[in-house]
Amino acid sequence: KNEVEQSPQNLTAQEGEFITINCSYSVGISALHWLQQHPGGGIVSLFMLSSGKKKHGRLIATINIQEKHSSLHITASHPRDSAVYICAVIGGSNYKLTFGKGTLLTVNP
Amino acid sequence: DAGVIQSPRHEVTEMGQEVTLRCKPISGHDYLFWYRQTMMRGLELLIYFNNNVPIDDSGMPEDRFSAKMPNASFSTLKIQPSEPRDSAVYFCASSFVGGNEQYFGPGTRLTVT
Repeated sequence: KNEVEQSPQNLTAQEGEFITINCSYSVGISALHWLQQHPGGGIVSLFMLSSGKKKHGRLIATINIQEKHSSLHITASHPRDSAVYICAVIGGSNYKLTFGKGTLLTVNP
Repeated sequence: DAGVIQSPRHEVTEMGQEVTLRCKPISGHDYLFWYRQTMMRGLELLIYFNNNVPIDDSGMPEDRFSAKMPNASFSTLKIQPSEPRDSAVYFCASSFVGGNEQYFGPGTRLTVT
């Protein structure tokens, strides 16, 4: 069973700050997802990656397969980025997602 | 497309009652996933289907839970009998390809008293 650890659990930042959220996992995977859950509860998929780096607007996700580690970066953070960010991994040929506990990000104006 | 549709959005029921949650995936998506989210355990996969066939139900907690997908546009998750510990938010998600981006429904908040 893959253990997925996220850090930090909680993060408070000032508007404009650069944010980094980390995710590590214990067993080799085929892909890693970053999800965003807003205070209202809705879940949105941000990235799916299996190697390298992806960028979408102010969000950047990287993964290091050898070190079993991924990071989610937010540049020029904004209060609307306040949400829970969840890392999830898929291993092997089964498409079952294993989730981290999430990181609660609060960006203050 | 309207996205993944779930109903009801909120359900309050008494212990012992049968509960049925419903999901309509995005048209053309071959994979459908049922998740449960609680404060204690976070998000957990319950079961997923590919082309209406259950592929992995190892996350289904016990025999009280059952899921069906009679056709490509509809799935149900049934709890019978319900218990207070089943209180959670249940999400349905669909994807075009198994390992790719999943689109989540708004969730059903279930409260069992």
